[in-house]
Amino acid sequence: SQQGEEDPQALSIQEGENATMNCSYKTSINNLQWYRQNSGRGLVHLILIRSNEREKHSGRLRVTLDTSKKSSSLLITASRAADTASYFCATSPGITDKLIFGTGTRLQVFP
Amino acid sequence: EPEVTQTPSHQVTQMGQEVILRCVPISNHLYFYWYRQILGQKVEFLVSFYNNEISEKSEIFDDQFSVERPDGSNFTLKIRSTKLEDSAMYFCASSSVLQNEKLFFGSGTQLSVL
Repeated sequence: SQQGEEDPQALSIQEGENATMNCSYKTSINNLQWYRQNSGRGLVHLILIRSNEREKHSGRLRVTLDTSKKSSSLLITASRAADTASYFCATSPGITDKLIFGTGTRLQVFP
Repeated sequence: EPEVTQTPSHQVTQMGQEVILRCVPISNHLYFYWYRQILGQKVEFLVSFYNNEISEKSEIFDDQFSVERPDGSNFTLKIRSTKLEDSAMYFCASSSVLQNEKLFFGSGTQLSVL
């Protein structure tokens, strides 16, 4: 089974619109994180939500976590062209320090 | 802002050759990682390193792979005899003791095995 599946795989929106990306996972987790990757670059940590949290905000980012459904969503409000990137969820599945990354959502924001 | 530095940015090698990928983690970080991303696929965990030893490794990290922290600043990944399927972007990451869950990634080394 695969841990960390995002949907949609690709998302195109206009500047100013909101972008919502979803992530599902299969095993129990300690925390779930979202990372961003610009084309050809490394991953940048955006936000972390712990298994006992339901919602978290950071600037224009809002993350929710539903452990009963094993799913998370990332909302980017008032998107900008500079938000164009791939977004990955990553889970920390327990007594381990590795992250398991999802398949990613490619977000394109048109000016 | 401190960052993780990786060299080289691109590495081309012949199958069967040894390669060493180099990383300089953020200076006060104590947890170090290697991940890789084959083109179009997921980012995959390879190995984690703490207190001068491997703390966890994946099934990808077989006997052909090794890691080393040769001095106080560098963290290297060696592939002894490269295979075609080792072609990927290799990312180094580090994290601090206080926030070890938050990883800081380098820009990666694109390894091409011919």
